[in-house]
Amino acid sequence: GESVGLHLPTLSVQEGDNSIINCAYSNSASDYFIWYKQESGKGPQFIIDIRSNMDKRQGQRVTVLLNKTVKHLSLQIAATQPGDSAVYFCAENRDAGGTSYGKLTFGQGTILTVHP
Amino acid sequence: DSGVTQTPKHLITATGQRVTLRCSPRSGDLSVYWYQQSLDQGLQFLIQYYNGEERAKGNILERFSAQQFPDLHSELNLSSLELGDSALYFCASSVGAAHYGYTFGSGTRLTVV
Repeated sequence: GESVGLHLPTLSVQEGDNSIINCAYSNSASDYFIWYKQESGKGPQFIIDIRSNMDKRQGQRVTVLLNKTVKHLSLQIAATQPGDSAVYFCAENRDAGGTSYGKLTFGQGTILTVHP
Repeated sequence: DSGVTQTPKHLITATGQRVTLRCSPRSGDLSVYWYQQSLDQGLQFLIQYYNGEERAKGNILERFSAQQFPDLHSELNLSSLELGDSALYFCASSVGAAHYGYTFGSGTRLTVV
């Protein structure tokens, strides 16, 4: 049958606004989370990570918040710029079977569009 | 340039054929990971090699195989190709065996016709 593409959540913001991208992760045993940014025609690019023993971590213009109680992760981008337009993925280090090593399980992604 | 080199960038081939995708990791990285990105499945982990040995395996089809060579480059072999194998194939590398903040290459776009 015909494949149906993923319908990714979208977020449109004006340049200079703050952006918040949300992610629900699946495995309560996951203890490491990463946000990646993927621009058109490129591979995913590491943005920021956080371990499960933390609630918040800040980078340059980005902040990641982790709520383990509801298995929720968010990425906040301050003063969003047109160059931030991309697909943003959250990833966790555990799959349903609990395997780890270097494998990451990615979320479906959110399309961020920044309007000048 | 991420430091992870993937070749070729684009590949068009017919159903039933076999192709080989190549990946050179960043200098100093011992782990290589392969991911498939398709429109309907998103980014899916295929397989990981660390210093020449298979370390973790995902939902990789039996028609697919990979290896990591002594110089640490890796190849992903896809055989008996089907239309549904059309996707972006990414390689990533990291220093350790369980180092998650890895670096991705720019991918190989495979189109099966």
